[in-house]
Amino acid sequence: SQTIHQWPATLVQPVGSPLSLECTVEGTSNPNLYWYRQAAGRGLQLLFYSVGIGQISSEVPQNLSASRPQDRQFILSSKKLLLSDSGFYLCAWSVSSRNGYTFGSGTRLTVV
Amino acid sequence: GQNIDQPTEMTATEGAIVQINCTYQTSGFNGLFWYQQHAGEAPTFLSYNVLDGLEEKGRFSSFLSRSKGYSYLLLKELQMKDSASYLCAVRPPSNYQLIWGAGTKLIIKP
Repeated sequence: SQTIHQWPATLVQPVGSPLSLECTVEGTSNPNLYWYRQAAGRGLQLLFYSVGIGQISSEVPQNLSASRPQDRQFILSSKKLLLSDSGFYLCAWSVSSRNGYTFGSGTRLTVV
Repeated sequence: GQNIDQPTEMTATEGAIVQINCTYQTSGFNGLFWYQQHAGEAPTFLSYNVLDGLEEKGRFSSFLSRSKGYSYLLLKELQMKDSASYLCAVRPPSNYQLIWGAGTKLIIKP
């Protein structure tokens, strides 16, 4: 069966520090991968998506970046965090339209 | 533009029935999804509609009218654990992404 792993679950980082969030998928090949952010009480904002290794599309200009070094690995990074980067970060994957997205358990990031 | 509208918040009583509406205006349509999200957790898939009509899954049903740009999620025999946000999302054609509504927070009272 397919599973998606996302870590860490919570993170408190000072302003100006770097960030690396990792997401891995098991049990499927060549998935579409997504990074979303959800601010408190708000909807989902698509940050990046990837349809294959090394292929990254950015939806929102910001100080975040994403990479896909392997087929089932998706990484969200920042060189210097801002207070506005705080939020709930979700990784998701999809293969077929019928099943929509499957989300990882999320990372709650607080920038202080 | 692309837009999805849902009520911000709804309140219902345990054991009752509630209908959560979603209207959309998008450039094309290739399916509509409903997700459930408990506070502090990730969204989980509930239903998918691509043709007009009603899809039933246990206590939950989802309806779609493509001509009206309208869907609803019907929850029957409400339980306290159904307190959550319900997200409506539309997939445009030839696109890997989903367009998300802001979600409806459903509060269940005893």
